[in-house]
Amino acid sequence: DAGITQSPRYKITETGRQVTLMCHQTWSHSYMFWYRQDLGHGLRLIYYSAAADITDKGEVPDGYVVSRSKTENFPLTLESATRSQTSVYFCASSEMGQRETQYFGPGTRLLVL
Amino acid sequence: GQSLEQPSEVTAVEGAIVQINCTYQTSGFYGLSWYQQHDGGAPTFLSYNALDGLEETGRFSSFLSRSDSYGYLLLQELQMKDSASYFCVLNQAGTALIFGKGTTLSVSS
Repeated sequence: DAGITQSPRYKITETGRQVTLMCHQTWSHSYMFWYRQDLGHGLRLIYYSAAADITDKGEVPDGYVVSRSKTENFPLTLESATRSQTSVYFCASSEMGQRETQYFGPGTRLLVL
Repeated sequence: GQSLEQPSEVTAVEGAIVQINCTYQTSGFYGLSWYQQHDGGAPTFLSYNALDGLEETGRFSSFLSRSDSYGYLLLQELQMKDSASYFCVLNQAGTALIFGKGTTLSVSS
């Protein structure tokens, strides 16, 4: 299916475990983004990527790792999950030169026990 | 640094007009966007102002004044389905988008 997808949609894990959230887009958009959304904080940027093999930190990158070996995929890894990383995670993509128009995936709801 | 301020909640009735204001502080930005998010859903793009003035998209309009560090989203002919959160978003120079904390709009009949 065309669009932007995220998996898993729901995840429960324990503190200290490694978790990888997947994001896949079929538009060949240059830009991809990871946000977390928490009550009272709105959406905060974790990492973003302007193209394959180019990634940059956002507002809240600590505890997260990203990679982008292919244009269409942008996985987010929590190396050692903590309870403070319980959140809803959104992936988004946009075309080159149109960063203001982002298309969001459905989100992954992560609970860290 | 940069910051965005918008009201946390707004209420209105069907058929009315509502304006959601956004003030910001930034050292440099390309423009101001607005996104809508329904409960449990993903944010969706509504509009973008790169230049000062009004942008109209159907029932929704957005305005930007760089000299006043101010923008707003205007929703006309409100419908129940417009009940959602609305975010003003800075397209920040040197980095990516900075989201405000959002305004929850409740539309009643």
